[in-house]
Amino acid sequence: DQQVKQNSPSLSVQEGRISILNCDYTNSMFDYFLWYKKYPAEGPTFLISISSIKDKNEDGRFTVFLNKSAKHLSLHIVPSQPGDSAVYFCAATTQGGSEKLVFGKGTKLTVNP
Amino acid sequence: GAVVSQHPSWVICKSGTSVKIECRSLDFQATTMFWYRQFPKQSLMLMATSNEGSKATYEQGVEKDKFLINHASLTLSTLTVTSAHPEDSSFYICSARTVGSGRKETQYFGPGTRLLVL
Repeated sequence: DQQVKQNSPSLSVQEGRISILNCDYTNSMFDYFLWYKKYPAEGPTFLISISSIKDKNEDGRFTVFLNKSAKHLSLHIVPSQPGDSAVYFCAATTQGGSEKLVFGKGTKLTVNP
Repeated sequence: GAVVSQHPSWVICKSGTSVKIECRSLDFQATTMFWYRQFPKQSLMLMATSNEGSKATYEQGVEKDKFLINHASLTLSTLTVTSAHPEDSSFYICSARTVGSGRKETQYFGPGTRLLVL
């Protein structure tokens, strides 16, 4: 049972435009969400996170939005740059519980110059 | 940032043999290391959590006698796939958490090891 879903395996956008990556979850116990970025031959690196007490968290060009009622979160990258081309993983966990991260399958973002 | 290495990056072995994968935190001490597995077009799935000096905690469905984890020091954890079979072919990736940090984002990931069992 896939508790964290990234339904778009790939996304292609033009440089300078907005990239929106989506993630849905089914487990209502999740209360902390993270986005990781992965380049080929490298491990995932932490990008941004959000706690369930917030509905938005912003860090430079990256903003994560959380809609708890819909069990949906999204990562916005604006403006997109060619260097943002990578696989983006959404992950969820429960604060105060185990440190287990549950990952989605990832979305491959390609930013075209 | 903190660096985690894995060795080897690629391994091909015959069915029935054992394979050892090393995970090292290069510039920090890690009390906790995590081992994940990723099959093609699937998500990273946590296999086990290991704390330095104690036994690993395995996720449901992961055979502890098949996937031996040793975390003997604050900078090294090893995963041994015993009697490997073709269905064990996968991408194995570790992560390490810094000492004293409870923040979820302070898991630093290694580059992964691709295992192919013939």
